[in-house]
Amino acid sequence: DTAVSQTPKYLVTQMGNDKSIKCEQNLGHDTMYWYKQDSKKFLKIMFSYNNKELIINETVPNRFSPKSPDKAHLNLHINSLELGDSAVYFCASSLRLYYLRDEKLSEQFFGPGTRLTVL
Amino acid sequence: QKEVEQDPGPLSVPEGAIVSLNCTYSNSAFQYFMWYRQYSRKGPELLMYTYSSGNKEDGRFTAQVDKSSKYISLFIRDSQPSDSATYLCAMRTSGGYNKLIFGAGTRLAVHP
Repeated sequence: DTAVSQTPKYLVTQMGNDKSIKCEQNLGHDTMYWYKQDSKKFLKIMFSYNNKELIINETVPNRFSPKSPDKAHLNLHINSLELGDSAVYFCASSLRLYYLRDEKLSEQFFGPGTRLTVL
Repeated sequence: QKEVEQDPGPLSVPEGAIVSLNCTYSNSAFQYFMWYRQYSRKGPELLMYTYSSGNKEDGRFTAQVDKSSKYISLFIRDSQPSDSATYLCAMRTSGGYNKLIFGAGTRLAVHP
């Protein structure tokens, strides 16, 4: 009954490789997000999708390409991996894209994270 | 300078202590303030949220917002070893997209 799930949990790869991370949510939410958490625990939004449409694209290198085949799934493909890409990547989802006054309805639910190590 | 500043700690306290965690921010448009708790090797989970200024209490946890000082706090009373985690503050504006800006997180260790 996992709400937001991600695969794989761990990913170790060489510089220059291409890799993908998958995310699925079974909460019936409209909006999904990708976050990057660096070694200092700083969590920063990368992308947001609403009903399969890209809405938020923070200044992320175009080596990162998100794809949402349907509103329950959001994948992240990374080309030509670099050492600086090593981080934990979290997927999250929320009921709606736009803020709702009741914060409980706007709550973002996070997945368990994918720990990416680039050697 | 980051929009949201948070001391990363670590903060180590004995069981039963009162813990105070804080964040400062620079964007006066922030209206919603949240605290997320993140256990080791897990995703963050929402602990508390507050709209605009004031206090909010939930069991052993109290969240305070002082918008005039651009300062938010989370107090944990009677801290337990199970409270050991990283606490991240997050905030967003009152309009537009549901986009959270996070602090760097404070690592808390409560020892028996």
